[in-house]
Amino acid sequence: AQSVTQLDSHVSVSEGTPVLLRCNYSSSYSPSLFWYVQHPNKGLQLLLKYTSAATLVKGINGFEAEFKKSETSFHLTKPSAHMSDAAEYFCVVSVRGYNKLIFGAGTRLAVHP
Amino acid sequence: EAGVVQSPRYKIIEKKQPVAFWCNPISGHNTLYWYRQNLGQGPELLIRYENEEAVDDSQLPKDRFSAERLKGVDSTLKIQPAELGDSAVYLCASSIRILAGGPTDTQYFGPGTRLTVL
Repeated sequence: AQSVTQLDSHVSVSEGTPVLLRCNYSSSYSPSLFWYVQHPNKGLQLLLKYTSAATLVKGINGFEAEFKKSETSFHLTKPSAHMSDAAEYFCVVSVRGYNKLIFGAGTRLAVHP
Repeated sequence: EAGVVQSPRYKIIEKKQPVAFWCNPISGHNTLYWYRQNLGQGPELLIRYENEEAVDDSQLPKDRFSAERLKGVDSTLKIQPAELGDSAVYLCASSIRILAGGPTDTQYFGPGTRLTVL
């Protein structure tokens, strides 16, 4: 079975400081991993995806994530937060080849001036 | 390119009333998904269509929920009768099959329909 645990329900950072959103996954098979972002009253937008190629994945808006199989982690980072990054972030796992996404509970990112 | 379109964006109904949501996927996307997102949680899959065929509806409460995807394009999700616990955001997503058995296809989400049952 597949599952995802987002270790922080809320993260607060100052503008211009680094962002770290933590995610651990469980999968019996080779996983595909995603990060989605959801701004208020808007749909989910794909930030990045890992599909067994490079372990360091670069996404949109300066975000990146590193797949660490030994730690079963897929943490999302950004060197410098912007006010527009304030949103809900979801870590997602899927079994490779199966189109069923398992979402984490989400991490709400707040960015302060 | 137009994204996934959903309507209505908001719906308020009284319990025991019926309600329907409509989704138009991205042109050319053969796979369509309906998700339910409860407040403070991540979305959960209700049903997945490959063209016209529902291939995964294990999480759909079939006593009151129904869905259809006629002609393999637009889809409608219906609840009858609605209950208080059905208040949630209902998301539609679509994807295109790139490679059978390959990496999970990227799903593109619509803005959702926020349902409030009073």
